[in-house]
Amino acid sequence: DTGVSQNPRHKITKRGQNVTFRCDPISEHNRLYWYRQTLGQGPEFLTYFQNEAQLEKSRLLSDRFSAERPKGSFSTLEIQRTEQGDSAMYLCASSLGLLDTQYFGPGTRLTVL
Amino acid sequence: GENVEQHPSTLSVQEGDSAVIKCTYSDSASNYFPWYKQELGKRPQLIIDIRSNVGEKKDQRIAVTLNKTAKHFSLHITETQPEDSAVYFCAASPDPSGGGADGLTFGKGTHLIIQP
Repeated sequence: DTGVSQNPRHKITKRGQNVTFRCDPISEHNRLYWYRQTLGQGPEFLTYFQNEAQLEKSRLLSDRFSAERPKGSFSTLEIQRTEQGDSAMYLCASSLGLLDTQYFGPGTRLTVL
Repeated sequence: GENVEQHPSTLSVQEGDSAVIKCTYSDSASNYFPWYKQELGKRPQLIIDIRSNVGEKKDQRIAVTLNKTAKHFSLHITETQPEDSAVYFCAASPDPSGGGADGLTFGKGTHLIIQP
């Protein structure tokens, strides 16, 4: 499968725990996005990388959320001290750059108990 | 920031009929408008997109129209088939490259139901 992949696909955690999700973009895609999708809503933009540079992070939901893309390939999204309101689907997307489509991964479904 | 409104939230049509979903946006700087289809439990998949230098784009049974003056765009699906049943999302971005530092702003989605 040469599409965007995300791991894990499902994560159940207890409130207060930290979680980390991984996204592997399509090979050679230099742009990477993270979105959150709650039930019955469209995806909500969180943050954006161009290669290893995080060019937009003001839309991260709180300072408990952070993302990295250390070598300009895969990316991780970490949520510290999870809350029940963090339960959602976390989607990653990648694109080649100029005039290119964003291709989405299958998402990681987070459930915070 | 950008705000995208999408209507209707649910649309039921008979198989073979046409379906139209409408979106409005608030940021006059937006110039890229994709439509995504999301089946239950699956990832959003792009079905068609349009940039502001054109008013209409068609791909087989799917077409999108854009009215920049009125700040609205619409998805048209003709000769609907059972496999068209899904949630459809419109989105907008001021970045002509398709996202950039502003990402995509999505509507809330339309649940399209094709009745046999």
